[in-house]
Amino acid sequence: DTAVSQTPKYLVTQMGNDKSIKCEQNLGHDTMYWYKQDSKKFLKIMFSYNNKELIINETVPNRFSPKSPDKAHLNLHINSLELGDSAVYFCASSHRLLTDTQYFGPGTRLTVL
Amino acid sequence: KQEVTQIPAALSVPEGENLVLNCSFTDSAIYNLQWFRQDPGKGLTSLLLIQSSQREQTSGRLNASLDKSSGRSTLYIAASQPGDSATYLCAVMDSGGGADGLTFGKGTHLIIQP
Repeated sequence: DTAVSQTPKYLVTQMGNDKSIKCEQNLGHDTMYWYKQDSKKFLKIMFSYNNKELIINETVPNRFSPKSPDKAHLNLHINSLELGDSAVYFCASSHRLLTDTQYFGPGTRLTVL
Repeated sequence: KQEVTQIPAALSVPEGENLVLNCSFTDSAIYNLQWFRQDPGKGLTSLLLIQSSQREQTSGRLNASLDKSSGRSTLYIAASQPGDSATYLCAVMDSGGGADGLTFGKGTHLIIQP
């Protein structure tokens, strides 16, 4: 009965590889997000996705691309992984953009070697 | 560009004390403010959401206030317990964040001593 789930929980990979992180929410929410928490524990928005509209934070490299097969899923694809991509990635969802409580997944710890 | 600051960065108090965590933000044009707790190695748990038109919200021993004009919010924890030990994060939602997501502070690391 998990509200927002992410897989995998841990991901260890080599530089240059391409990887994906999956996110699913069973709350019936219309909006989903991806956040990155760096080594200093600072959380920052990467993307929001609402009604097929993707809003991208200007600091996110284009190697990162979210893909939404349906309203309940927002997967994160990362191409040509770099050492600096090592972080914890959190998926979140809310009923509506801007006004509602955001519910976070448990996070995916990505380590790039 | 919105910036969120949390003071103090860390706090350690004996069990049973009441305490206040502070959050300030630079752009008062927000939709809402949300308080979260994060336990080590875990995700974020939403504690309270205050809409921009509200002054405070309460949930159990927690009370959050919002003064939008001065760009401040406080989280009041009554009768603290060791289980309250966690990092508390303040975040605001505005339309200028570049991706319409939450802008987070760096958190207050709280330790409640038994």
